[in-house]
Amino acid sequence: GENVEQHPSTLSVQEGDSAVIKCTYSDSASNYFPWYKQELGKRPQLIIDIRSNVGEKKDQRIAVTLNKTAKHFSLHITETQPEDSAVYFCAAPSGGGADGLTFGKGTHLIIQP
Amino acid sequence: EAQVTQNPRYLITVTGKKLTVTCSQNMNHEYMSWYRQDPGLGLRQIYYSMNVEVTDKGDVPEGYKVSRKEKRNFPLILESPSPNQTSLYFCASSFRVTGAETQYFGPGTRLLVL
Repeated sequence: GENVEQHPSTLSVQEGDSAVIKCTYSDSASNYFPWYKQELGKRPQLIIDIRSNVGEKKDQRIAVTLNKTAKHFSLHITETQPEDSAVYFCAAPSGGGADGLTFGKGTHLIIQP
Repeated sequence: EAQVTQNPRYLITVTGKKLTVTCSQNMNHEYMSWYRQDPGLGLRQIYYSMNVEVTDKGDVPEGYKVSRKEKRNFPLILESPSPNQTSLYFCASSFRVTGAETQYFGPGTRLLVL
């Protein structure tokens, strides 16, 4: 099955700066890579995803890049704001006969005022 | 409103007392799944279902049971809860059978087993 590693576990940035969270995966057949945001006390919600036929996708201040050769993908948040403070999870298809998604362990993003 | 609902939202119980956490979705999704979330461990899949009467184990199925008798409902059953099952539980659903698509999460159920 898939193994997803996520780094860093905690990231503190100044408001207005950029934040980058990285994930690696093990199954070269994986073709779908979503990112979820979980605010304190709330449920995880999809913020952006990318499929293996593209290398980058943007949505306003957030972007995801994918490097299939190296088997890693990254979440980029520019011009960070206080409301970006949350836990972010990457995921990849579980594969290996299982279905659904395998999640990384999460990154706690802290935006310092 | 399209949504995934879970009940109860909070539950305190004692070791060995059977409990059920309900999950329901109104989006006609094929795929449903249960996760537990523990500090530092992220979201780990317990069980999933690709269709009515079709269920399979995820990464951490020990001590749990599920059933999928109707498309919209996917209850999680703890026959004999133990303290190591104290956790935050999320139900999720996805339109496609494989589940490797956008997953919509319920609000979560926080369980404490004494």
